[in-house]
Amino acid sequence: EIVLTQSPATLSLSPGERATLSCRASQSVNDYLAWYQQKPGQAPRLLIYNASNRATGIPARFSGSGSGTDFTLTISSLEPEDFAVYYCQQRGQWPLTFGGGTKVEIK
Amino acid sequence: EVQLLESGGGLVQPGGSLRLSCAASGFTFRNYAMIWVRQAPVKGLEWVSTILEGGRDTYYADSVKGRFTISRDNSKNFLYLDMNSLRAEDTAVYHCATYQQRLPFDYWGQGTLVTVSS
Repeated sequence: EIVLTQSPATLSLSPGERATLSCRASQSVNDYLAWYQQKPGQAPRLLIYNASNRATGIPARFSGSGSGTDFTLTISSLEPEDFAVYYCQQRGQWPLTFGGGTKVEIK
Repeated sequence: EVQLLESGGGLVQPGGSLRLSCAASGFTFRNYAMIWVRQAPVKGLEWVSTILEGGRDTYYADSVKGRFTISRDNSKNFLYLDMNSLRAEDTAVYHCATYQQRLPFDYWGQGTLVTVSS
């Protein structure tokens, strides 16, 4: 099973600041990596697929990078609606696995 | 508009059984793999099971293998999860979702709560 480790667990930032979230895989997943955003009481929403491709309707301030075992989600300038929990997910092999999540909270 | 609506959750005793259903609409259901993902209270996301388009190929998390069965009815646009020998640790909100390994056709239902408790 591929283990995904996300860091930090919590990120305290102010609106307008840049957020950098990390996801590290225990073995290579090539670029089979997705990022999700989840707000309380809501289903997860796909932000990024194939490590760096924005999903439909996702603002350009969200970007993904990386390949192999190290991945990054960057939010260039935080908007109030971006404060949420973010999960990475690998789709390279079964079982599918998620990281433990990074909570982006208002400082 | 793509819609996924789960049902069938509720309170069940340890060792009991439950069937979850997911009604799909707004897309050609038979053309897409489907997954179940669960989220225990104040916990992260855990993949549970996947069924490919035709229904013959299925995959399970080790934590549910041998106890849960995923199936689909492509004529009725329904996805199912039969859960047996339920344990307290199965308590979670269960979401159904579309799945594509490399493409962004990614839709989730709001989930149905399963509580396993005596």
